Amino acid sequence: EAGVTQFPSHSVIEKGQTVTLRCDPISGHDNLYWYRRVMGKEIKFLLHFVKESKQDESGMPNNRFLAERTGGTYSTLKVQPAELEDSGVYFCASSHSPTLETQYFGPGTRLLVL
Amino acid sequence: GENVEQHPSTLSVQEGDSAVIKCTYSDSASNYFPWYKQELGKRPQLIIDIRSNVGEKKDQRIAVTLNKTAKHFSLHITETQPEDSAVYFCAASKDYGGSQGNLIFGKGTKLSVKP
Repeated sequence: EAGVTQFPSHSVIEKGQTVTLRCDPISGHDNLYWYRRVMGKEIKFLLHFVKESKQDESGMPNNRFLAERTGGTYSTLKVQPAELEDSGVYFCASSHSPTLETQYFGPGTRLLVL
Repeated sequence: GENVEQHPSTLSVQEGDSAVIKCTYSDSASNYFPWYKQELGKRPQLIIDIRSNVGEKKDQRIAVTLNKTAKHFSLHITETQPEDSAVYFCAASKDYGGSQGNLIFGKGTKLSVKP
């Protein structure tokens, strides 16, 4: 069984540009989460999809971040326009059940905004 | 909201010694506590988890203990090996409410096991 995949693995962009990150969850996992780790800090929750619906987006930093999961399969996270403080590693995770069950993480996308 | 504190931030042990990492949480409603290991350049991987109806869980050289009254839980690694070197994250979540399932992480502990 393929694990969670993320694309790209790395992205270097300039301040003000747009970047779109993609996550493919494990097949059959209805629950998809986005997290972010800024250098030296904890992994922070961004949002949670159940199928194509946003269950909780309380962790999204601001309206420059837009997440979608059309069709309830893969998800995209767009940052527009990117700011310096958006640099970090963006992780996606998926699980079959929303609670009390293992969340499987992807390898992350390392975003650097210059 | 939930807050998870993790200590120490770095830990260095000799091969064969034990390592202990401690976490405290603030939300008494949290009832699921996973531990993730992240090796350099790789994805976080679950190594063990515990639910609030259990006080201790063990899997070979790894064990986790939970004290619900004190709201803290700990990871214990015995007979450490160089391949245990990694960053370890504790996390907490709950199974109800608007934020159900969302993992709240500690800041991580960088464990170094010296041969």
